[in-house]
Amino acid sequence: AQSVTQLGSHVSVSEGALVLLRCNYSSSVPPYLFWYVQYPNQGLQLLLKYTTGATLVKGINGFEAEFKKSETSFHLTKPSAHMSDAAEYFCAVSDGSWYGGATNKLIFGTGTLLAVQP
Amino acid sequence: NAGVTQTPKFQVLKTGQSMTLQCAQDMNHNSMYWYRQDPGMGLRLIYYSASEGTTDKGEVPNGYNVSRLNKREFSLRLESAAPSQTSVYFCASILPGGREMYTEAFFGQGTRLTVV
Repeated sequence: AQSVTQLGSHVSVSEGALVLLRCNYSSSVPPYLFWYVQYPNQGLQLLLKYTTGATLVKGINGFEAEFKKSETSFHLTKPSAHMSDAAEYFCAVSDGSWYGGATNKLIFGTGTLLAVQP
Repeated sequence: NAGVTQTPKFQVLKTGQSMTLQCAQDMNHNSMYWYRQDPGMGLRLIYYSASEGTTDKGEVPNGYNVSRLNKREFSLRLESAAPSQTSVYFCASILPGGREMYTEAFFGQGTRLTVV
């Protein structure tokens, strides 16, 4: 069964500072990994995803994440925070392809609320 | 292209009442999901349907039932609403495939349900 742990329910950074949001996963099969962002009173928007290929994944709005199998991690980073980055961020894991008998469940972490101080 | 459409957007129920949340997607996706979102708990999977004709329990299925009516539609029913079911509900869909073809989940805008 898959699970996701997001360390830090609240993270505060200064504008221009590095953003680091932590995500560790558990999966019995090679995982598919995602980061989503949610702005207040809105739905979820995909930031980036890892399914195959390069382990450093680039997403929208300058975010990137690195899949580290040895550490079972998929941390989200952005070199320089902007005020508009203030939102809640969710890491998610799936056991992937419907083909081959996978359940295709998509499990989310509990979220990290990012605050950006001027 | 509407994507994932949920109805209603807001609902207030009295304890013991029943209701059905509707979800439809027009992207020809195979898999559909229902989540509830509560403060500090993230999104928790209630039920999912990996493909038309199949449904399975997620993390928090008690008090809910689902119907995959066809490939487009996946409804969530509360038979006897309880205050603990006050939450924001999200429907999502995915077109699963091999690693090169796997899409991300697309979400509806959510249903804010209050049970009094």
